[in-house]
This record gives sequence, C-alpha cells and structure tokens, in this order.
Amino acid sequence: GNSVTQMEGPVTLSEEAFLTINCTYTATGYPSLFWYVQYPGEGLQLLLKATKADDKGSNKGFEATYRKETTSFHLEKGSVQVSDSAVYFCAAALKTSYDKVIFGPGTSLSVIP
Amino acid sequence: GAVVSQHPSRVICKSGTSVKIECRSLDFQATTMFWYRQFPKQSLMLMATSNEGSKATYEQGVEKDKFLINHASLTLSTLTVTSAHPEDSSFYICSASQDYGYTFGSGTRLTVV
Repeated sequence: GNSVTQMEGPVTLSEEAFLTINCTYTATGYPSLFWYVQYPGEGLQLLLKATKADDKGSNKGFEATYRKETTSFHLEKGSVQVSDSAVYFCAAALKTSYDKVIFGPGTSLSVIP
Repeated sequence: GAVVSQHPSRVICKSGTSVKIECRSLDFQATTMFWYRQFPKQSLMLMATSNEGSKATYEQGVEKDKFLINHASLTLSTLTVTSAHPEDSSFYICSASQDYGYTFGSGTRLTVV
C-alpha cells in the first residue's frame, strides 16, 4: 500500500551541524512530496515541496530533491540553529479521486547550543 | 498566502457531551478539506475527506456517527465529536487543498474529562 517512511528520531545535533533526515515513499504514480514542520504545541507549517521528479524544494536553508529512481525526498540543511528544533514530517499527496496527503511518522530534531 | 483558520485552539469538555471544531479557509475557496488526528508524539492520521456539498469520505476504522463532518460552504468545514469520551482526547488538525499545495490549520487540542 501507499506509505511514507522516515528515519527514526529523536535526532540531537549541535548548532551549525549538518542535518539529513531521510524520507522514502511507496505510492502508485508520482505523488507530490512535502516536508512539514511542527513546533511544540502548534499545527503544521509547510517547509518545502516538490511536484515532479528532479525538482528541488528549498526554504529557510532547508533543501530536498525529488528522486524518482530511489523514491526518496531527503531533507538537508547545511547548518542547523537552535530555532530549528521541531518535529519534521515528510508527506506525499496521492493522486486518488481526492488528493490525500499521507504522512511519515515524524522525526523530532533537537539542536543544542 | 493561503490561510486556514481553525477554532477553537483548545477545548475541554465533559464526557458524553459533543464538541464542534471549525475549519475556515480565509482567502480562498476550498472544495476539499481534510481532517486529521494526531496522538502525542505520533504522526497525523487522516480521518476523513470533506467535500463541499456532499458527504464526507471516511478512512477505514473511523466512526462516521462519532465524528460528524459538515462542509456546507466553500470556506467552512466542521468536525463534531459526538458523545465524547476520554479516548477521544487528541490533537485535531484540518487542511485545505489548493492548486499549489495544502495548508493546515493550527490545530485543536481536545481534552475530554
């Protein structure tokens, strides 16, 4: 069935470290892919997205490239800040009769000074 | 950009009562809205897809009579948790789709006592 898988957390990094959060998907066709971020006690905010193969989404120093051959959409940031501490969700919008967004389990990131 | 307003942000109710959560698209029309439920430290689970002017489509395992969804206009969808029980306590998030992606509300923290 359709699913989104992400690396297990929690992830703890020092400030200015390099971040990678892996995400792979299983879906029929070519879904649109997203990364959402959730800060403590809040809803979800769209971080970036990509709608077709080889597209690169980027925002606030975060990047992710839609890799059709590996069905992946890994999130990266070259230098994390304490303010990046949050839960990150990889998501895929499935092309069904109604576009449905399915989420990965989320990866909690803590950045320490 | 597109904004989805969700109200209330927090609600505490007594067991056996009903609670209504509203989801409004503020600057765009949303023919389709989605309702999610999020348990502590877990991912978002799609509960149902709400379609303006027609019945909602519920995901497997979600009780239709328990979680009533009404999408009476292009800017408003409501989720009513009927005869709430403590196990219904959760974080509920709505989402609306547009041509360029999905926008999420800020969520409603429901506590049933």
